[in-house]
Amino acid sequence: QSVLTQPPSVSAAPGQKVTISCSGSSSNVGNNYVSWYQQLPGTAPKLLIYDDNKRPSGIPDRFSGSKSGTSATLGITGLQTGDEADYYCGTWDSSLSAGGVFGGGTKLTVL
Amino acid sequence: EVQLVESGGGLVQPGGSLRLSCAASGFTFSSYWMSWVRQAPGKGLEWVANIKQGGSEKYYVDSVKGRFTISRDNARNSMYLQMNSLRAEDTAVYYCAREGNRDVGIDYWGQGTLVTVSS
Repeated sequence: QSVLTQPPSVSAAPGQKVTISCSGSSSNVGNNYVSWYQQLPGTAPKLLIYDDNKRPSGIPDRFSGSKSGTSATLGITGLQTGDEADYYCGTWDSSLSAGGVFGGGTKLTVL
Repeated sequence: EVQLVESGGGLVQPGGSLRLSCAASGFTFSSYWMSWVRQAPGKGLEWVANIKQGGSEKYYVDSVKGRFTISRDNARNSMYLQMNSLRAEDTAVYYCAREGNRDVGIDYWGQGTLVTVSS
């Protein structure tokens, strides 16, 4: 059971838009910056979004991040078959057992 | 170019020990928090531990506290994970990662090293 809750899977057609949610609490998402990662099969994760809504250089603006209260959202527009991957949110948890936390991951299928 | 290269993985019996290493290059290693993140076969990412730039602060996930020790040698641009009392549930690919952003915002990952705990 992950500290951050993500839907196990989402799907959409090429060219469409999809959103992936990440639900936490005041000790993590609510008061710390959220990052999002893409993991293609057999590869290491790759940073897509940091500080809730910033994109590293080289990440297309089709990828966006937002946050409201204790929930964060990753948005992907203009879906491409190459976007099929697992997506994870992550942040710091400031509770008594302080440490990093990830969501359980969301499998994106581009139909 | 930032590079993180893990080594030291392998097959170990339950109760055994293993020491993972991460060799960093292409950036000023001593300026960054560093993390270990693992991924069990077919499962999601799990943050394991991190260490502050000078090594004065370290944090661990509850499941490894008292068994794993994270350390770093800034003179050698290297980070380590000493894993003792290994259990079957520690079987995973272990990634070395650089925290380039706030709140464990990892901007670079190594390729990972596989640790298998089995008799």
